Amino acid sequence: SQTIHQWPATLVQPVGSPLSLECTVEGTSNPNLYWYRQAAGRGLQLLFYSVGIGQISSEVPQNLSASRPQDRQFILSSKKLLLSDSGFYLCAWNRGQNGNTIYFGEGSWLTVV
Amino acid sequence: QKEVEQNSGPLSVPEGAIASLNCTYSDRVSQSFFWYRQYSGKSPELIMSIYSNGDKEDGRFTAQLNKASQYVSLLIRDSQPSDSATYLCAVKDGNTGKLIFGQGTTLQVKP
Repeated sequence: SQTIHQWPATLVQPVGSPLSLECTVEGTSNPNLYWYRQAAGRGLQLLFYSVGIGQISSEVPQNLSASRPQDRQFILSSKKLLLSDSGFYLCAWNRGQNGNTIYFGEGSWLTVV
Repeated sequence: QKEVEQNSGPLSVPEGAIASLNCTYSDRVSQSFFWYRQYSGKSPELIMSIYSNGDKEDGRFTAQLNKASQYVSLLIRDSQPSDSATYLCAVKDGNTGKLIFGQGTTLQVKP
């Protein structure tokens, strides 16, 4: 069966510090991978998605970036965090080639102070 | 911009009642629709998916889809306090294939 893991689960970072969130998927190959953000009391905002190694599409302009160095690994980064980057970050995957259902990881709570 | 609309609630129902959650969407070519449940502080988990007009039942949950009215709903029968959560409606964009999420409806089931 397929599983998705992301870490760290919780982090508190000062403004201007870097960020790295990591996500891995097991039990499948060539998945579509996604990073979502959910700000307090708000809906899910798609940040990045990837259909393959090195292929990243950005949905919204921001100071975050994403990378996919391996087929089942997806990384969310920032060089300098802003207060507005605080939120609940979710990695997700679905099967490539018109896959439907998206499955989410456990999520990472980021508080920028 | 394609949208998915939900009433944010909270929707409060007594234990044992039927909870009705509603969602409308703007993309006329969408073919895939999903309901996710999200407990406070946790990630969303899939409850139901529906692709054809009509009803789809799974245990206490029934999803209803009306593509002509661009409307999808989720009924929860015999609501339990453990059903208290935020329910997210998601619609697959007919052109890009990405999921578009609504803001979610918070359900409170009172014992």
